[in-house]
Amino acid sequence: QSALTQPASVSGSPGQSITISCTGTSSDVGSYNLVSWYQQHPGKAPKLMIYEGSKRPSGVSNRFSGSKSGNTASLTISGLQAEDEADYYCCSYAGSSTPWVFGGGTKLTVL
Amino acid sequence: EVQLVESGGGLVQPGRSLRLSCAASGFTFDDYAMHWVRQAPGKGLEWVSGISWNSGSIGYADSVKGRFTISRDNAKNSLYLQMNSLRAEDTALYYCAKGFTVTTRGAFDIWGQGTMVTVSS
Repeated sequence: QSALTQPASVSGSPGQSITISCTGTSSDVGSYNLVSWYQQHPGKAPKLMIYEGSKRPSGVSNRFSGSKSGNTASLTISGLQAEDEADYYCCSYAGSSTPWVFGGGTKLTVL
Repeated sequence: EVQLVESGGGLVQPGRSLRLSCAASGFTFDDYAMHWVRQAPGKGLEWVSGISWNSGSIGYADSVKGRFTISRDNAKNSLYLQMNSLRAEDTALYYCAKGFTVTTRGAFDIWGQGTMVTVSS
């Protein structure tokens, strides 16, 4: 199972919006509405930010939103804040044989 | 407080075995699937293995299939990962993660702090 494709880095200024893409295939992202997004600060465990493509867990800011079109999922962060600077990983269900595949991660820099 | 605490990591020689444990607290353990996810130093996340609430559904990444075995003991609120025939490329921080649902199809909503496994001679 190949990893999902994410840009290595994105950046934005405080208050701006950014979007991180996550491209898979018709066997994973395209087949299931089960994409999740994780935020990881340096030295910390990952944190779930979006699940089932567009749903936010309790306690996650509504500045974070998720969407999907075809084989590509996206995470949008609006009103960028300094604390959003972190690594972001997408993850998709890929069927019963090897259920989960992650993207390579995207480093978000808040300028 | 919902908590996952991993243990069992360490330095091990190539070809040897290691068993990781994850102690869960603060939630009804047998209501949820559980997973192991690893992160090599300076690298991204890699899903390793997952197990449904009743151990009826188990999955592995191709990279560990045939070498690693996941299991759980619901009476002890514990998750395990038996790692055999370890390789240098298995060196990573191993996270225990709680699934969102009883099946392995749910996202990972709670993570432990990880236990480091280093495979080296």
